[in-house]
Amino acid sequence: DAKTTQPNSMESNEEEPVHLPCNHSTISGTDYIHWYRQLPSQGPEYVIHGLTSNVNNRMASLAIAEDRKSSTLILHRATLRDAAVYYCILKTSNSGYALNFGKGTSLLVTP
Amino acid sequence: SAVISQKPSRDICQRGTSLTIQCQVDSQVTMMFWYRQQPGQSLTLIATANQGSEATYESGFVIDKFPISRPNLTFSTLTVSNMSPEDSSIYLCSVDTLTENTEAFFGQGTRLTVV
Repeated sequence: DAKTTQPNSMESNEEEPVHLPCNHSTISGTDYIHWYRQLPSQGPEYVIHGLTSNVNNRMASLAIAEDRKSSTLILHRATLRDAAVYYCILKTSNSGYALNFGKGTSLLVTP
Repeated sequence: SAVISQKPSRDICQRGTSLTIQCQVDSQVTMMFWYRQQPGQSLTLIATANQGSEATYESGFVIDKFPISRPNLTFSTLTVSNMSPEDSSIYLCSVDTLTENTEAFFGQGTRLTVV
């Protein structure tokens, strides 16, 4: 299965943009790039996903490199409620559409 | 979207006993997954449960230890059998479709402590 690499932790100031990077150099053509986050004591929640083009939704933006070997999740204005572990996951039929969670990036947001 | 209800939300169990965790979804779903999250760790897939067929288990997980039922398209159970303290974890149910282009939904999890 294609793997992703993320920094273990990042820190941001409140109301500032946050760019969370993810490397997935072995991505295949049909793999979708998904991002989930897990707030303390909660189940993971969906953030955003994309295939080739950049994507925007109410929560975040996803910037995908042209060669698709990396992507960046962008939180435009971090709030204290955005403190969570963020997981970058490649969703593929090869894994039966299950999500294979790596260690993710723990985001700390400071006031 | 899908709303998932997991029961119980938490439990403390004696070693050697079994606990059955229920996962109820508010709509019919194709794929249901069970995950384990050990303390301070990420999520690990236990098995995939499809209605009308046997669950498919990941390496390191066996049916005798984690029997799963999927009687219909809105409900599944995971049993943690003959528990030991090493089974203390959060167990999560997830639902999804048979495509890469959709989002998965997760329950809030069942926090299990084995003493």
